[in-house]
Amino acid sequence: EAGVTQFPSHSVIEKGQTVTLRCDPISGHDNLYWYRRVMGKEIKFLLHFVKESKQDESGMPNNRFLAERTGGTYSTLKVQPAELEDSGVYFCASSQTGTGGEAFFGQGTRLTVV
Amino acid sequence: RKEVEQDPGPFNVPEGATVAFNCTYSNSASQSFFWYRQDCRKEPKLLMSVYSSGNEDGRFTAQLNRASQYISLLIRDSKLSDSATYLCVRLTGGGNKLTFGTGTQLKVEL
Repeated sequence: EAGVTQFPSHSVIEKGQTVTLRCDPISGHDNLYWYRRVMGKEIKFLLHFVKESKQDESGMPNNRFLAERTGGTYSTLKVQPAELEDSGVYFCASSQTGTGGEAFFGQGTRLTVV
Repeated sequence: RKEVEQDPGPFNVPEGATVAFNCTYSNSASQSFFWYRQDCRKEPKLLMSVYSSGNEDGRFTAQLNRASQYISLLIRDSKLSDSATYLCVRLTGGGNKLTFGTGTQLKVEL
């Protein structure tokens, strides 16, 4: 069975540009999460989808970040316009209903804003 | 104070040694905890769940001390392959949000 996949694995963009990250969760997992790790800091929650609905977006840093989950399948996280402090590793995770603590993570997208 | 605090290490131990990590948490109402393992430049992977009185899985034992608000991870007979960062994680947000510690780095040496 395929795990959580993320694309791209790396992205280097200039300040002010737009970047879109994609996540394909494990098939059948209704819960999809986005997390971010900024250098030297702990992994932090961004938001949580249940199917296509945003359940909790309390961790989104600001309105430059937009997440969508079309049809309750894959998800995208768009940063527009990107700022230097957005650099970090963006992880996507998915889990089955009722097993929020047992999340499966993708390998992450390493975003560098220069 | 951070919600979940860990000693970043690194803990350098010889192969075969027993090593223990602690993690403290600030919210006394917290119910569920986990240990995740993260290899260098890889994704976090669930190692163990820690519920109520803790649990054991092979060489790994996790304990929860609610009175002192800490959880621990004990690794017996350390292997070279155990070298990684161990993340203490609390389940929050109605059971759907993971709060991570900064991780404890373990290096097992010959």
